[in-house]
Amino acid sequence: AQSVTQLGSHVSVSEGALVLLRCNYSSSVPPYLFWYVQYPNQGLQLLLKYTSAATLVKGINGFEAEFKKSETSFHLTKPSAHMSDAAEYFCAVSVSTGNQFYFGTGTSLTVIP
Amino acid sequence: DGGITQSPKYLFRKEGQNVTLSCEQNLNHDAMYWYRQDPGQGLRLIYYSQIVNDFQKGDIAEGYSVSREKKESFPLTVTSAQKNPTAFYLCASSRTFGSYEQYFGPGTRLTVT
Repeated sequence: AQSVTQLGSHVSVSEGALVLLRCNYSSSVPPYLFWYVQYPNQGLQLLLKYTSAATLVKGINGFEAEFKKSETSFHLTKPSAHMSDAAEYFCAVSVSTGNQFYFGTGTSLTVIP
Repeated sequence: DGGITQSPKYLFRKEGQNVTLSCEQNLNHDAMYWYRQDPGQGLRLIYYSQIVNDFQKGDIAEGYSVSREKKESFPLTVTSAQKNPTAFYLCASSRTFGSYEQYFGPGTRLTVT
């Protein structure tokens, strides 16, 4: 079975500071990993995905994530936070076709001006 | 434009009434999903459908029902048996069940009083 854990339900950063949102997964087989962003009262939007190609994945809005097998992690980063980055972020894991998607419980990012 | 539509955006019902939430996709995806989102609890899977005329219970199916008579449509009925129906409901689809990323609709906020 697979699962995903997001450390920190709330993260605050100053505008212009580094954003780091943590995600650890557990999977007995190589996983597919995803980060989604959700703005208030909206659906989820895919930020980026890892599907066993390059370990450093670049996404939209300047975000990137690095797959580290040894640490079973897929942390999301952005060098410089912008006010518009304030949102809820979800990490998700899946394995081969035929298996369920699993979402983390989400991290709410606040950007302080 | 390809995507997922959910209607209505906001829905109000009296306790004891059944209500049906609409979800339509024109992405030609085989798999569709319904999630419930409550504050601080992330996304919980209600039902999913891998293909037309097939659907499976998710983690919290009690008090809900679905149908999948057409590939592009996956309506969710919240019945009077659902004890706490007030929530934000998200519909999603993916090319196939499991590995591929899921695409989300804008959500329906249901309030039952």
